[in-house]
Amino acid sequence: DADVTQTPRNRITKTGKRIMLECSQTKGHDRMYWYRQDPGLGLRLIYYSFDVKDINKGEISDGYSVSRQAQAKFSLSLESAIPNQTALYFCATRDSTYNEQFFGPGTRLTVL
Amino acid sequence: GEDVEQSLFLSVREGDSSVINCTYTDSSSTYLYWYKQEPGAGLQLLTYIFSNMDMKQDQRLTVLLNKKDKHLSLRIADTQTGDSAIYFCAEANTGGFKTIFGAGTRLFVKA
Repeated sequence: DADVTQTPRNRITKTGKRIMLECSQTKGHDRMYWYRQDPGLGLRLIYYSFDVKDINKGEISDGYSVSRQAQAKFSLSLESAIPNQTALYFCATRDSTYNEQFFGPGTRLTVL
Repeated sequence: GEDVEQSLFLSVREGDSSVINCTYTDSSSTYLYWYKQEPGAGLQLLTYIFSNMDMKQDQRLTVLLNKKDKHLSLRIADTQTGDSAIYFCAEANTGGFKTIFGAGTRLFVKA
C-alpha cells in the first residue's frame, strides 16, 4: 500500500464551487505539506503543518484553507474555486532525520 | 529569500551521460537533494548530499557539490529511456521547516 495517498486523483469542477482534496499517510510523520505544481514553476508551498494544532501558511495560501484532522490526515480546501487554481496538487510528509519528503501521487484539478 | 534555479529541458541520446545543473542561494543549506518525477506520479527522492560533502556516487548517479559557487549537479551515466522524467533540485536546512524546490529539469532521452 502507498505511504501517502490522495483523493481524488482527478477532479473537474466549475468556478465558484467548493472543493476538498484529501491526504492520508501511514508514514507516522508529524510534518505534512500541500504543494501546487504548475509547468515551469516547480512546486510552490500552499500550507504546512507540524502537528494537529500547528498549521502554517506557505507562499501561496490565498484562496486555500486546510484542516489537520489527525496526525495521518491533512485536507486542502478551495472555498470558491477559480480557473487559475487549475494545477496538479501534491500532499507530502517529511521525516525529521534527513528532511526527506514523501509525496502522494497528486490530484489533477481543473477549474472551468 | 531562498531560491533554487535549474534549466527546464535537457535532451540526450540513449547511452550518453546526462548532466543536470542547479544553483541555490541559501548558504546555510544542510541537505541538497535530487528528486525524480515520472509521468503521472509524485516526486520521489533519488539521492541527496550533505553540505559538508563534495561528491556522492550511487551506481549510475554522481552528485557534485560546489559549495563556494552554490552549484549542484547530477550526472546520470549510460542514460536509458527509462530515465526520462523531471528532475528537481532541492535544498533544506537542519531544523528548517520547509524544502525549497527548483522548477524541475525535464530530461528527454532519445533512442
